[in-house]
Amino acid sequence: GQQVMQIPQYQHVQEGEDFTTYCNSSTTLSNIQWYKQRPGGHPVFLIQLVKSGEVKKQKRLTFQFGEAKKNSSLHITATQTTDVGTYFCAGPNGNKLIFGAGTRLAVHP
Amino acid sequence: DVKVTQSSRYLVKRTGEKVFLECVQDMDHENMFWYRQDPGLGLRLIYFSYDVKMKEKGDIPEGYSVSREKKERFSLILESASTNQTSMYLCASSRYRTSGSTDTQYFGPGTRLTVL
Repeated sequence: GQQVMQIPQYQHVQEGEDFTTYCNSSTTLSNIQWYKQRPGGHPVFLIQLVKSGEVKKQKRLTFQFGEAKKNSSLHITATQTTDVGTYFCAGPNGNKLIFGAGTRLAVHP
Repeated sequence: DVKVTQSSRYLVKRTGEKVFLECVQDMDHENMFWYRQDPGLGLRLIYFSYDVKMKEKGDIPEGYSVSREKKERFSLILESASTNQTSMYLCASSRYRTSGSTDTQYFGPGTRLTVL
């Protein structure tokens, strides 16, 4: 069946360093969504990418959707302690979403 | 703002007990979901409902059942709780889309269930 894989599983960085998480799908996606879950919290929607090669920015966060619409990345520039949490990508399967396993980001001050 | 609420934040039950987890959303969403979240395994779909009284199995339905009698409410039932069902349970809702796109999911705060 359809699979969404995400790497790395865990990354710790010093505050101010950059961070990137990668998402790969076994099938072509119509769109991809990204969610963030703070420690002790629940996943919260960040963004959706739809077009091939699309790049979207939210302040220090840059999201990319691959040309083949099978992969995506989230890059955070100059991490801050508020970026701590787990970042999930998710691809659609009908009205459902298939979530990646997530990348847990730890930021050391 | 969409609000998804779950009946309990923390729950402790004994092996063999019947457990009900309730989820309510206030945005008239057609789709509702139950996931369980375990460290390193991400979000795994247990059951999904796209309409009242309609349900569809997710990836890990064994040991669980669901009920959707009203549009805003989706219940997860553990008929006979076991220790391997100790987990975080997350409910989510979204609008139904007939096209290929999938709408944003809104999550509840989660219920941490411990089965002793």
